[in-house]
Amino acid sequence: QSALTQPASVSGSPGQSITISCTGTSSDVGGYNYVSWYQQHPGKAPKLMIYEVSNRPSGVPDRFSGSKSGNTASLTISGLQSEDEADYYCSSYTSSSTLLFVFGTGTKVTVL
Amino acid sequence: EVQLVESGGGLVQPGGSLRLSCAASGFTFSRNYMSWVRQAPGKGLEWVSIIYSGDSTYYADSVKGRFTISRDNSKNTLYLQMNSLRPEDTAIYYCARDVPAGYWGQGTLVTVSS
Repeated sequence: QSALTQPASVSGSPGQSITISCTGTSSDVGGYNYVSWYQQHPGKAPKLMIYEVSNRPSGVPDRFSGSKSGNTASLTISGLQSEDEADYYCSSYTSSSTLLFVFGTGTKVTVL
Repeated sequence: EVQLVESGGGLVQPGGSLRLSCAASGFTFSRNYMSWVRQAPGKGLEWVSIIYSGDSTYYADSVKGRFTISRDNSKNTLYLQMNSLRPEDTAIYYCARDVPAGYWGQGTLVTVSS
């Protein structure tokens, strides 16, 4: 049950756009449109930001968008704001695990 | 309003057991997938176990044979029975509704140490 690969950190200035990648295989990210993204602030529970690759739950700002190409999914934050500074995790359905789902390694987003 | 409240965490010696509970409210508990996710100190998220509405259960390899997920729909409560605990099981344990997890509890800390 290998974790999906994310960059350890990404940074940007307020107002800029940043993109976080999430790389898997054809057994997970590439094979299914069941990629989701979670935001986690320090000491808090995770929050679902994107599901099924590109869908936003109610209440999530449209600054957050998701996409996928091949075995790599991406989360883009446009118009970066200070409150976006947090850890972000991708997750995907996987056919190579008895648990059916796997998280990414996590990315720390810093707003400069 | 959907609420998930975990309890049962604490300090336990290696080889010991704990049972975590997650009290759910604000939705029809029996209809939803429920899961346990853990986060070791300073580390990332890890799916631990999932139980579907039909009671099918799934486990991470790291806990298979040691942990048991269950649910009591009459009490709107999710459980995680953890046996043969190891220091590497030390983590905050979250319960979550659905997959993907749209609702999370606040977490309960499990510390396995002598």
